[in-house]
Amino acid sequence: DIQMTQSPSSLSASVGDRVTITCRASQSVSSYLNWYQQTPGKAPKLLIYDASSLQSGVPSRFSGSGSGTDFALTISSLQPEDFATYYCQQTYSTPRTFGLGTKVEI
Amino acid sequence: QVQVVQSGAEVKKPGASVKVTCKTSGYTFTSHYMHWVRQAPGQGLEWMGIIHPRAGSTSHAQKFQDRLTMTRDTSTSTVYMELISLRSEDTAVYYCARGRGGNSLDAFDVWGQGTMVTVSS
Repeated sequence: DIQMTQSPSSLSASVGDRVTITCRASQSVSSYLNWYQQTPGKAPKLLIYDASSLQSGVPSRFSGSGSGTDFALTISSLQPEDFATYYCQQTYSTPRTFGLGTKVEI
Repeated sequence: QVQVVQSGAEVKKPGASVKVTCKTSGYTFTSHYMHWVRQAPGQGLEWMGIIHPRAGSTSHAQKFQDRLTMTRDTSTSTVYMELISLRSEDTAVYYCARGRGGNSLDAFDVWGQGTMVTVSS
């Protein structure tokens, strides 16, 4: 199985901050790397697919980068509704593994 | 609009089985793979398996090898997930999620609301 390692596991930030979360795969996943946002009690929401493509309806302050084994999700200016847990996921191989998540707190 | 609606919460005893329903609408059912993902209380996301709605073919994570069955009904645009021999560790919210395109490698763009399954004696 491909292991996905996210860092940090949690972070504290303020509204307006620039935030970057990283994700490393234990082997290459090409560009089959996705980012999801989850708030408590809700289903995950797709933000970024194929490493850097913005899902329809997602604000442009979210961006993704990377390929191979190293990826990043950046929020350019944190908004109150962005306080949530973020997960990376590879869909390159079975099983489709997720990172353990990064909790973004105030 | 695209909708994915799951069946309601379940409480089961250890050793029992559970079947979760995921009814879709608003798109061509046979054109998108469907996945099952679960999340134990306070934990992360765990991928369980994938089904191709047209062919009915499936693939699943090795840890569910002998316990997981995924099926579909094309006449009602519904997919089903059945997990047998339940144990306390199976207590989780179970989600179905649609692949965003026709490729099995696609991200999951539409998720059901989740179904809480509690396994307790």
